[in-house]
Amino acid sequence: SQQGEEDPQALSIQEGENATMNCSYKTSINNLQWYRQNSGRGLVHLILIRSNEREKHSGRLRVTLDTSKKSSSLLITASRAADTASYFCATVSGGSYIPTFGRGTSLIVHP
Amino acid sequence: DAGVTQSPTHLIKTRGQQVTLRCSPKSGHDTVSWYQQALGQGPQFIFQYYEEEERQRGNFPDRFSGHQFPNYSSELNVNALLLGDSALYLCASSPTRFRSYNEQFFGPGTRLTVL
Repeated sequence: SQQGEEDPQALSIQEGENATMNCSYKTSINNLQWYRQNSGRGLVHLILIRSNEREKHSGRLRVTLDTSKKSSSLLITASRAADTASYFCATVSGGSYIPTFGRGTSLIVHP
Repeated sequence: DAGVTQSPTHLIKTRGQQVTLRCSPKSGHDTVSWYQQALGQGPQFIFQYYEEEERQRGNFPDRFSGHQFPNYSSELNVNALLLGDSALYLCASSPTRFRSYNEQFFGPGTRLTVL
């Protein structure tokens, strides 16, 4: 079963624009992570935000977490064609330490 | 420093056959997890190995089994293949001292096609 659900399923933008992806989940979490996957290959860990944090930054990435709404957002600023990929949120709950992935958002950045 | 490596890259099998996929974790990592990713879906957790034992398991049938070797590398075995087993199989490794943090490093995956 999948805990997180990303929205939108697909996003198409021009280079230089900002891209925002959202993730909603159902149960309380310990942390939430965002991953990137290029062309159906391995996933790359982008950023982790803990349940007691509200916002984190990493380069052009900004992640917010609202535990009251059980939602998170990933903002990519000044997007580049190389940002074209699928982006997944993954939640970690309880004591399992195993991330549960959503279905992902497919981002296309046009040069 | 080599990251997580997986072999083979692609594999084609027929229904009913058996398959073995291999994974070598990132240097310094002793925990290996396996995921199945169907087309258009997110990765689904199969199981995790640590100290050569299966520590956690997802919702997968017993046809899926694994092994971890003393050098921390791992194998995923799938018996009696079904068409629905066609997927990208991902291996991820992590250092146990970060278990609660759980940042995992993923390999490039093995694309399995069952005909």
